[in-house]
Amino acid sequence: GQQVMQIPQYQHVQEGEDFTTYCNSSTTLSNIQWYKQRPGGHPVFLIQLVKSGEVKKQKRLTFQFGEAKKNSSLHITATQTTDVGTYFCAGVKNAGNMLTFGGGTRLMVKP
Amino acid sequence: KAGVTQTPRYLIKTRGQQVTLSCSPISGHRSVSWYQQTPGQGLQFLFEYFSETQRNKGNFPGRFSGRQFSNSRSEMNVSTLELGDSALYLCASSSDRVYNEQFFGPGTRLTVL
Repeated sequence: GQQVMQIPQYQHVQEGEDFTTYCNSSTTLSNIQWYKQRPGGHPVFLIQLVKSGEVKKQKRLTFQFGEAKKNSSLHITATQTTDVGTYFCAGVKNAGNMLTFGGGTRLMVKP
Repeated sequence: KAGVTQTPRYLIKTRGQQVTLSCSPISGHRSVSWYQQTPGQGLQFLFEYFSETQRNKGNFPGRFSGRQFSNSRSEMNVSTLELGDSALYLCASSSDRVYNEQFFGPGTRLTVL
């Protein structure tokens, strides 16, 4: 079945440093979504990428979708303590709402 | 708009029992999906209901079942509970667009003893 791998599993950074998490799917995706889950919370939608090669920005966050629609990345510039949490990518293969989640990258930011 | 609500928030059961969890989606959302989250397996898709019909199903045993009512509220049931069913069960709702963002509820924390 479809698998979505995400690396790294954990990342410790000093506040102000950059952070990147990578996501790779075993199959071509229709779209990919990114979610953030704070400790003790639930996943919160960040963004959705649909087009091959798409790049979207949200303030300090930059999201990319690969040309082959099999990989994606999230880059955070100048991390802040409010960025702490686990970032998940989630691939969608067909129409509908079946998300295949990556294992997540837990980001810890040292002030 | 009120968010996705799930009840109960916490539940403790013993092996062999069954449990029913409830989810009320955001008003106007007709799609409801269920996910299981564990430290070992991460977030795994259980099933999706749309307009009272199961539209997608994940790779879980038949002990896991669900249903959706005409008001889009959904329930999931787990029968013959096993220790490994201990998890956070998350419900998510979404609108009718083709590619939809999911709005997650706070989850039900199930502990099986």
